[in-house]
Amino acid sequence: QTVVTQEPSLTVSPGGTVTLTCASTTGAVTGGHYPNWFQQKPGQAPRALIYSTSNKHSWTPARFSGSLLGGKAVLILSDVQPEDEADYYCLLCYGGDCVFGGGTKLTVL
Amino acid sequence: EVQLVQSGTAVKEPGESLKISCKASGYSFSNFWVLWVRQVPGKGLEWMGIIYPGDSETRYSPSFQGHVTISADKSVNTAYLQWRSLKASDTATYYCARHAGIGVPADFWGQGTLVTVPS
Repeated sequence: QTVVTQEPSLTVSPGGTVTLTCASTTGAVTGGHYPNWFQQKPGQAPRALIYSTSNKHSWTPARFSGSLLGGKAVLILSDVQPEDEADYYCLLCYGGDCVFGGGTKLTVL
Repeated sequence: EVQLVQSGTAVKEPGESLKISCKASGYSFSNFWVLWVRQVPGKGLEWMGIIYPGDSETRYSPSFQGHVTISADKSVNTAYLQWRSLKASDTATYYCARHAGIGVPADFWGQGTLVTVPS
């Protein structure tokens, strides 16, 4: 069974930069996995941030960016704001099925 | 404006059946897949399956195949998630989302439906 792994938690200071990673037990993550990233705040539905590795939705703040690095999908948050404190989930697709990562709890402190 | 509005909180006893809904508006419902996602309290997101309302083609994640039924009625722009016999382990929040095609599996999301099945 495919497992998608993320850092369980990360802490960043306001104004700083943080990188979240997303790895697959099947091997290197590629563009063919169409990596997606979602943000979820407590009590809210998830919100889509990044699709197909690096594409932003119209509502995605410019400080969020996605790419591939070292065989993983990465989400980079620059100039982190207090409101970026949330859970972040990646999603990788394997043919017709997709798998969410376990999520990263980002603390802004 | 694309919107997905889900049915309200449900509290059911073990063994009971349940059908929750996801009503779409603001786009051509028949032409986009709809995704269902489970989130157990305090846990992460799980991909359950997708349906194409245009022809009701359905694809389930292996973990959920046989445990739930996904359906859609394009005449009322609504997708459904159904259980025949609920268990306490089905307690979770269930989200629907619009699947906009390859590479965009979930752009717009519903607000979620909390299903509680006491043990």
